[in-house]
Amino acid sequence: DAGVTQSPTHLIKTRGQHVTLRCSPISGHKSVSWYQQVLGQGPQFIFQYYEKEERGRGNFPDRFSARQFPNYSSELNVNALLLGDSALYLCASRPDRGLQPGAYGYTFGSGTRLTVV
Amino acid sequence: RKEVEQDPGPFNVPEGATVAFNCTYSNSASQSFFWYRQDCRKEPKLLMSVYSSGNEDGRFTAQLNRASQYISLLIRDSKLSDSATYLCVVPRGATNKLIFGTGTLLAVQP
Repeated sequence: DAGVTQSPTHLIKTRGQHVTLRCSPISGHKSVSWYQQVLGQGPQFIFQYYEKEERGRGNFPDRFSARQFPNYSSELNVNALLLGDSALYLCASRPDRGLQPGAYGYTFGSGTRLTVV
Repeated sequence: RKEVEQDPGPFNVPEGATVAFNCTYSNSASQSFFWYRQDCRKEPKLLMSVYSSGNEDGRFTAQLNRASQYISLLIRDSKLSDSATYLCVVPRGATNKLIFGTGTLLAVQP
């Protein structure tokens, strides 16, 4: 089975532009989360979606938005890009709760490395 | 105080050594914990889950001390391939969003 897939893998944008990042979860996973990881730090939670509804939002400005589609894939949009938005953006999916604890952990995609210049 | 704190390292150890990392968390209500491994410029990968007092998987042992609110990861007989950043992770809230520590860098030397 394919893991979590993200596109594009790398992206260079100019300040003020907007960007759309895409994620396809593992087949059967309905929960998708987005994380931002800047160099030298652990990932920071941005959004969580489940069954197309936003279930959680981290401490990020309104320039960040996301959505989940009926096939459970997801998009992360960032408007008015700033230099500080340069980071690795990670998408993660996990099985529904109620499964064995070992299935509880999130599986991450390989990420999109965004550079804002 | 950060929700999840780790010593960033680096930990430089020779092959075959035993190394331990500690992680402290601030939310006493947390029930489950994870250790993720992240190689340079790669995504985090789940290494171990901890739900009770501890968990063991081959050379890796994770232990949980709820009274002191810390989780440890012990790696025995270190291999060169163990060189990576080890992230301590605590799920939080109804959505179980993951709260990551900054990670501990391990470098195993030949």
